[in-house]
Amino acid sequence: GAGVSQSPRYKVAKRGQDVALRCDPISGHVSLFWYQQALGQGPEFLTYFQNEAQLDKSGLPSDRFFAERPEGSVSTLKIQRTQQEDSAVYLCASSLARWGYEQYFGPGTRLTVT
Amino acid sequence: GQQVMQIPQYQHVQEGEDFTTYCNSSTTLSNIQWYKQRPGGHPVFLIQLVKSGEVKKQKRLTFQFGEAKKNSSLHITATQTTDVGTYFCAGPGGNKLVFGAGTILRVKS
Repeated sequence: GAGVSQSPRYKVAKRGQDVALRCDPISGHVSLFWYQQALGQGPEFLTYFQNEAQLDKSGLPSDRFFAERPEGSVSTLKIQRTQQEDSAVYLCASSLARWGYEQYFGPGTRLTVT
Repeated sequence: GQQVMQIPQYQHVQEGEDFTTYCNSSTTLSNIQWYKQRPGGHPVFLIQLVKSGEVKKQKRLTFQFGEAKKNSSLHITATQTTDVGTYFCAGPGGNKLVFGAGTILRVKS
């Protein structure tokens, strides 16, 4: 079956531009996570949704970052006024439940801010 | 906050040699997961360990969870070129998984 998909796969933005990254989780997966992965590092948690409810956004680095999942399926991560330090791979993962289940990762969106 | 540390950061082995990566948590974990990320790819789930002292095997891979549930290891016997990638451990911390920085494995054929 279809896995987690993300779009775009690559995004180049000029500093100050807004970007929107999309995640399509596996159908029926309740939990959705966003991670930021810098080169040579492990994924860093950004935010977590259970269905449409954003239960944890403690990892969002600033108020320029905003995520939503209005109907409990597709999610969008929006970054306003991008800065160079936002350059990273943004990974989305979904899971049947919060704990005790593996997370299925999408291919990621590589964001480069110039 | 909770920290998960992995060593070594990088290992380059000859094909056929064994490989081990170690994971240590600053807090006791209810479970630990291992993921593999191929170069240019995304993390793929390998296994989850739950019980103290648990040992699980997947072909040439052996996973262990420490008695105190604060450390874990992944051992690969007789590495192959298909084993290349970064191996991450991850433990639950509140609503999130806390990942280690990973161990990069390169295999010389």
